[in-house]
Amino acid sequence: EDQVTQSPEALRLQEGESSSLNCSYTVSGLRGLFWYRQDPGKGPEFLFTLYSAGEEKEKERLKATLTKKESFLHITAPKPEDSATYLCAVQEGGGFKTIFGAGTRLFVKA
Amino acid sequence: DAEITQSPRHKITETGRQVTLACHQTWNHNNMFWYRQDLGHGLRLIHYSYGVQDTNKGEVSDGYSVSRSNTEDLPLTLESAASSQTSVYFCASSPGREEAFFGQGTRLTVV
Repeated sequence: EDQVTQSPEALRLQEGESSSLNCSYTVSGLRGLFWYRQDPGKGPEFLFTLYSAGEEKEKERLKATLTKKESFLHITAPKPEDSATYLCAVQEGGGFKTIFGAGTRLFVKA
Repeated sequence: DAEITQSPRHKITETGRQVTLACHQTWNHNNMFWYRQDLGHGLRLIHYSYGVQDTNKGEVSDGYSVSRSNTEDLPLTLESAASSQTSVYFCASSPGREEAFFGQGTRLTVV
């Protein structure tokens, strides 16, 4: 069965304290891996897509990387406005159905 | 600007009633999805559609149905609402392999 597991469930950081979020996946054939950000009371917003192992994408303080079994979302010198839930999702080969992990809730304290 | 809208944003209904949640997108995307989000479970796929007249079951489809009569709309129907269906529901659309665009969600409470 296809699975997406994110860790940790919650992460509390001080402003400026860099860290990483993990997403491990088991799918029969990876078509793409996505990272989304979700603020309370809102729908997820797209951050990155990664298609193949070794690929990296960056946006401001965020950097996403991909291996054959997992992806990392690195947060460098986070700010309080980075506080949100970060969702990882995988799209399996043969279709466009997307499976989500449970998310990591990030809290950044000033 | 193109967008995806859900209605209503909040709904309270009684057990056993039929409920329909609306989803409308103006991107002309072929792919549309319905998810429910519950604490500890993340987003779980209910139904999805790859085009007009196409519908498919997701991992938690029991008690739900969808129909796709045009490109823009994918309404989600709860045939007989149950308390276990209290949740936040999100609709999404995508052009294909690329990222999905999500609506703002519908908070449904079944009493």
